[in-house]
Amino acid sequence: EAQVTQNPRYLITVTGKKLTVTCSQNMNHEYMSWYRQDPGLGLRQIYYSMNVEVTDKGDVPEGYKVSRKEKRNFPLILESPSPNQTSLYFCASSLQILAGGPTGELFFGEGSRLTVL
Amino acid sequence: AQSVTQPDIHITVSEGASLELRCNYSYGATPYLFWYVQSPGQGLQLLLKYFSGDTLVQGIKGFEAEFKRSQSSFNLRKPSVHWSDAAEYFCAILSDSNYQLIWGAGTKLIIKP
Repeated sequence: EAQVTQNPRYLITVTGKKLTVTCSQNMNHEYMSWYRQDPGLGLRQIYYSMNVEVTDKGDVPEGYKVSRKEKRNFPLILESPSPNQTSLYFCASSLQILAGGPTGELFFGEGSRLTVL
Repeated sequence: AQSVTQPDIHITVSEGASLELRCNYSYGATPYLFWYVQSPGQGLQLLLKYFSGDTLVQGIKGFEAEFKRSQSSFNLRKPSVHWSDAAEYFCAILSDSNYQLIWGAGTKLIIKP
């Protein structure tokens, strides 16, 4: 089954304790992206990756890191989480076939709800 | 700069009634437009897309949307809603500068029995 898998789905942690949210897709998609969703603020892009070893900042990259060492995986790293990073996080992937960029047809994971105390 | 506006934060309709969710965009050329749906506790799922051609596009789950260049709109419609359509709906446009999606704020659809 084609899917984007995120782990963990739920996590409560404390300020400053490094954590990683994993994201894996089995569709051989070149493009992957991380979003956070907050009430009243909609979806905001954190980082994206057009291909292996290529990552770019989105709209709200501060406090996050990513890496893309393999095509299928795109982990989101919070080196020193703070309470303002409490949010619902989504990973998404897409084929990259439209003029060098993603098609806009994104496949989303089910989300990871993170609480930082 | 390109932008997407969904004027309605919440919409309540009765089950069986018709639905129209509004989406307006700002962009000079022909945009690439999308509607996504987020059911409670789920990730987003693509409902339909418009790239070019026929301005009335059909999507999954019985939804359709019409691209109207003169009104800079891409409204989502369904003739008869079901309780399972209760969800949040997002309109998006593909940026022509970095090929990332620009999202509307979303419209939450509430279905009355």
